[in-house]
Parts: sequence; C-alpha cells; structure tokens
Amino acid sequence: QKEVEQDPGPLSVPEGAIVSLNCTYSNSAFQYFMWYRQYSRKGPELLMYTYSSGNKEDGRFTAQVDKSSKYISLFIRDSQPSDSATYLCAMSSHTGGFKTIFGAGTRLFVKA
Amino acid sequence: DTGVSQNPRHKITKRGQNVTFRCDPISEHNRLYWYRQTLGQGPEFLTYFQNEAQLEKSRLLSDRFSAERPKGSFSTLEIQRTEQGDSAMYLCASSSRTSADTGELFFGEGSRLTVL
Repeated sequence: QKEVEQDPGPLSVPEGAIVSLNCTYSNSAFQYFMWYRQYSRKGPELLMYTYSSGNKEDGRFTAQVDKSSKYISLFIRDSQPSDSATYLCAMSSHTGGFKTIFGAGTRLFVKA
Repeated sequence: DTGVSQNPRHKITKRGQNVTFRCDPISEHNRLYWYRQTLGQGPEFLTYFQNEAQLEKSRLLSDRFSAERPKGSFSTLEIQRTEQGDSAMYLCASSSRTSADTGELFFGEGSRLTVL
C-alpha cells in the first residue's frame, strides 16, 4: 500500500464548476500537507500549504485536512480553463526525514 | 534569481550510455532534492543534500546513480549505463531551512530523459 493515495482521474468539469480533489494517507506522523499544481512538461509549483488539521482558504482555493480520517481535500471554486493541470497532494513530517511524499496526481480538465 | 534551473531540459541517449543532469538551486536555499517522475505518477524521492552533505538516499537510487553537490551550490545527478527503465523526468527542488521544515519545495522544470 502506498503511503499516499490519490485518484489519478482524469476529472473533466465545465467552466465555473466547483472541483473537489482528495487524497488519503496511511502515515499518522504526517503534519504538513500541501497541494502542488503541475502543468504539462513543467515542474510542480506549490499551490496551498496547511499545517495539521483545519481549513485554509486562498482566493478560489480551499484546502482541508482531517487528520482523524487521514483525508485531505482541495476545493476549487469557479473553475477556469487555466486551472487545467495535474494536482498533486503532498505531505511530510519532522520524523520522516527530509522528504516530501507525493500522491500520483489528479489530472483536471476544465472545459470552456 | 528566478528560481531553480535544470539542464539539459531533454536528453535522448542510447541504452548503456552515461548521462549527467545539473541543477542550480535558488541561491539562498541550502537544501537540495532530486526526485524522479514517470508518466502518470507523482514525484518519487531520490536523494537530499543539506549544503554539500548528502543526508539521505532512497532505495530507488541504485548503484548506477550518483549525486553530488560540491561546495553546497549546484548539484549533478549522473546515471551510468542507462537502461530503458531510467526514462523519466528528473526533478530538482530546493528549499530554505524554514520552508524545508514544513516540506515546502521549489521545483525546477525538470530534465526529461529518454533512453532508446
């Protein structure tokens, strides 16, 4: 079993839809939770970062972490065609060395 | 400083040849990471440097792979006797002490390796 599970999609939605992306994980030591966005043939870029459980909002993006369920989510409101990309969840801990563990990524297509 | 720089962006080689990738991190970042990403998968950790010291290596890093970071600045990743299974995107990332403690990484655009 992988430490981080993420549905690879693809997920196709119409412009303006609310998008929900999710990951589950098995290592309860994870404390830091991130979402990266990766466009085709580019490196990932950090989109959202959350420490421990709770919600964080940044513009159209909201990240949620539920440590009790080992489940994290990213919501995108009013999705735009420019949001079409692969979204990678990622997590790390102080006890996990210095490596960040990534999910497989979900490919999102937002249709105009 | 515009970010993490990786060269070459794409390398095509024949099986059995050696290849070397270079990464120039963000100048004030003392931590440097190499990841490998194959199609449809997320980045997989390969190795990590703090300044010039290589502090951790993944089991994925076979004896054919070697990474260096002389003087704690740029880093190189060399693959000897390449195999078709080495075809992947090799991503370099860097972080500062504060961002590293939380796992936040700043990635380059990657070096794509195709082994024929």
